[in-house]
Amino acid sequence: EPEVTQTPSHQVTQMGQEVILRCVPISNHLYFYWYRQILGQKVEFLVSFYNNEISEKSEIFDDQFSVERPDGSNFTLKIRSTKLEDSAMYFCASISDRVNSPLHFGNGTRLTVT
Amino acid sequence: AQSVAQPEDQVNVAEGNPLTVKCTYSVSGNPYLFWYVQYPNRGLQFLLKYITGDNLVKGSYGFEAEFNKSQTSFHLKKPSALVSDSALYFCAVSWGRDDKIIFGKGTRLHILP
Repeated sequence: EPEVTQTPSHQVTQMGQEVILRCVPISNHLYFYWYRQILGQKVEFLVSFYNNEISEKSEIFDDQFSVERPDGSNFTLKIRSTKLEDSAMYFCASISDRVNSPLHFGNGTRLTVT
Repeated sequence: AQSVAQPEDQVNVAEGNPLTVKCTYSVSGNPYLFWYVQYPNRGLQFLLKYITGDNLVKGSYGFEAEFNKSQTSFHLKKPSALVSDSALYFCAVSWGRDDKIIFGKGTRLHILP
């Protein structure tokens, strides 16, 4: 079964540094998402992306965050200047052609900001 | 504001007993409701969904959920729990044409041998 893959599995960075989290969604999917989960708790919506542009974003997704689909296969989340509170698990997800379809999640990238 | 609530942080059930994990929602328009399960160090896995039609939906691993419009609930159920069902369970909702799916805070299910 096709999978959403995320790299790296664990990223450690210093406060103030830029990080890029990478995701390869399922190939025929059209909607892409980033979520984050802090300390194994609530899964928080960050952003959704469709047709090469952001379709929805949360209040968490401020100017420090950006997303890109540079080459038709990768879907990246960039944090320009990381803060300690950005430490979390970041999950990429994708769905096919309908917004009421289930999300397919990757296994996540654990970001640790020191 | 749109929201989804899981009132229990943790549910403990003896193996073989029925289990229920509660979820309520608040959305404008028709809700699309989902349950996901998360095992340690893994992403969320889809269990089942309600879009329209029959209020009782069946999903993976013997789970089912009942949509109750008057109570705005979508509780997850299983007639006989297994130890392997122990995991973190998330209820999620989307609505209308908004391209946004929000999750409850999760309920940790412990099945006791």
